[in-house]
Amino acid sequence: ETGVTQSPTHLIKTRGQQVTLRCSSQSGHNTVSWYQQALGQGPQFIFQYYREEENGRGNFPPRFSGLQFPNYSSELNVNALELDDSALYLCASSKEAPGELFFGEGSRLTVL
Amino acid sequence: DQQVKQNSPSLSVQEGRISILNCDYTNSMFDYFLWYKKYPAEGPTFLISISSIKDKNEDGRFTVFLNKSAKHLSLHIVPSQPGDSAVYFCAASVGNNNDMRFGAGTRLTVKP
Repeated sequence: ETGVTQSPTHLIKTRGQQVTLRCSSQSGHNTVSWYQQALGQGPQFIFQYYREEENGRGNFPPRFSGLQFPNYSSELNVNALELDDSALYLCASSKEAPGELFFGEGSRLTVL
Repeated sequence: DQQVKQNSPSLSVQEGRISILNCDYTNSMFDYFLWYKKYPAEGPTFLISISSIKDKNEDGRFTVFLNKSAKHLSLHIVPSQPGDSAVYFCAASVGNNNDMRFGAGTRLTVKP
């Protein structure tokens, strides 16, 4: 059984740029959630995708957007990057929406 | 809006002793609570959960206690082992939905 994988693991961008983060869900899981974890804080819910549709969104601006593909993998896109977007971005998959979350290792984004 | 709080950023215990990690919440609508464990360079992994219809759930060395009137839950690890050293996150949701709120985490160190 393949776990949740995320890419890239680390990346550096400059303010104003755009970034795309990718996530492959665990085999058999149809729901993907994205979280932002700033330094010293717990993960904060960005949004969730269930069967390719957005299924809930946290308190993040529209420049945070996402996609889920027919194979249930997912992308997180962030436009017009700001310094405060520097964080660890965690992807989590689950079998049902809602369900126990299985997290990937995260993508660490640094915005300079 | 910190609805889930872990007021102790760190905890150090001796191997074989009990570790008690605490978590407080403010939203009385929360009815599903989870603990996740996170090692460095890995994503959080699910540890144990409890629904509001219970006040205790046990799984091996791990027990979670829920005090609804005090809006408080705790995770007990006994006996503690050096491999338990990690960051522990408390999380809560309404009906195990997709918007799971996390605390800031407590770093547990178990000394041999």
